[in-house]
Amino acid sequence: KNEVEQSPQNLTAQEGEFITINCSYSVGISALHWLQQHPGGGIVSLFMLSSGKKKHGRLIATINIQEKHSSLHITASHPRDSAVYICAVRTLTTSGTYKYIFGTGTRLKVLA
Amino acid sequence: DTAVSQTPKYLVTQMGNDKSIKCEQNLGHDTMYWYKQDSKKFLKIMFSYNNKELIINETVPNRFSPKSPDKAHLNLHINSLELGDSAVYFCASSQAHGQGGTEAFFGQGTRLTVV
Repeated sequence: KNEVEQSPQNLTAQEGEFITINCSYSVGISALHWLQQHPGGGIVSLFMLSSGKKKHGRLIATINIQEKHSSLHITASHPRDSAVYICAVRTLTTSGTYKYIFGTGTRLKVLA
Repeated sequence: DTAVSQTPKYLVTQMGNDKSIKCEQNLGHDTMYWYKQDSKKFLKIMFSYNNKELIINETVPNRFSPKSPDKAHLNLHINSLELGDSAVYFCASSQAHGQGGTEAFFGQGTRLTVV
């Protein structure tokens, strides 16, 4: 079982729908990232969270540290939101260095 | 002006060759990373440097050696390339690796194909 699990793996939505992508993790973390990878391959960092909630345009990211869970919400979805969304957590190792663990991604397709 | 730039974008080479991928960031960030994305699109971190000092070194073959001449550059050198090294390699940078750190900015990726 991966230390970072995302759901769903694939998601197809109609334009305008509210979308939620979930990320659960089983390790202690110092931060959680949401990344977006476009069909062309480029990666964009959407959010970095260590607590609470962040909003940027139509995107909202929340994290619940006690429940080890984060969600990424997209309001009024649009075909240009079609991408793979990746959750990544940053943990501190026993040797004092950081380690990143990635989820396998959620492939989102928004239909016009 | 590109924030994180990688060169080359595509690299096709024969098994056994040695190759380098260069990465430069003009954001003034103090931390840079190399990631590998395999054919199944799974992303893994390989290395991270903070102010030219190695802070993350995941389990990668020692044929892979990162080189950071200054904090704006983190190059990836690969010796004796193997077929399994074929992947997309992403460079990224962020500021202040600790608790107050910023989000990471990614380069456009380098698609390496070993034939």
